[in-house]
Amino acid sequence: EVQLVESGGGLIQPGGSLRLACAVSGFSVSSKYLSWVRQAPGRGLEWVSVMYSGGGTYYADSVKGRFTISRDSFNNILSLQMSSLRAEDTAVYYCAREDSVIRAFDIWGQGTMVTVSS
Amino acid sequence: DIQLTQSPSTLSASVGDRVTITCRASQSINNWLAWYQQKPGRAPKLLIYKASNVQSGVPSRFSGSGSGTEFTLTISGLQPDDFATYFCQRYNSYSYTFGQGTRLEVK
Repeated sequence: EVQLVESGGGLIQPGGSLRLACAVSGFSVSSKYLSWVRQAPGRGLEWVSVMYSGGGTYYADSVKGRFTISRDSFNNILSLQMSSLRAEDTAVYYCAREDSVIRAFDIWGQGTMVTVSS
Repeated sequence: DIQLTQSPSTLSASVGDRVTITCRASQSINNWLAWYQQKPGRAPKLLIYKASNVQSGVPSRFSGSGSGTEFTLTISGLQPDDFATYFCQRYNSYSYTFGQGTRLEVK
């Protein structure tokens, strides 16, 4: 079964770091385009970062230089290392698979909540 | 950057109604335009891709159309399960943009 399961969220102080993980099942993490998309409480969706099957990575301007996306092909996990966290990074973070043909997010995880607060 | 603006922000309707949600781009865009449905506490679900193609498993009452700067999502014959929030989204040059969302509520 194709599935994405996020973990690693929690409460973190401003300026702190946190690492999110997305456990992938049903396909290889290296074979598909995978993104992180976040949603602040009561707000809309915001794309954060993508890792393409070829290894290329891209980031939203709001996180560039602070967040790093990576993958572990052996354990089939996509990660998001977040540093210099700010209150405005508070959100549910979703891992999402993009179908490279239709260029849309066809599979989503359940999300993990990150709260940045002192 | 090209912005996506959805209208209306909130839409009140009844079961059986036909409703249309609009997504306008600040400049003409290609047809890499998708629509998602999201229910409270749940992840988004892909409904429409490439502006007018219905994702597998999505009921045929959902349809998409448009080109250039204006795209629409239409639900023909609202069902109780359709009351949710809807987002449009586009891909362009290694970047992805979402509309702000349209909340479809019971009248």
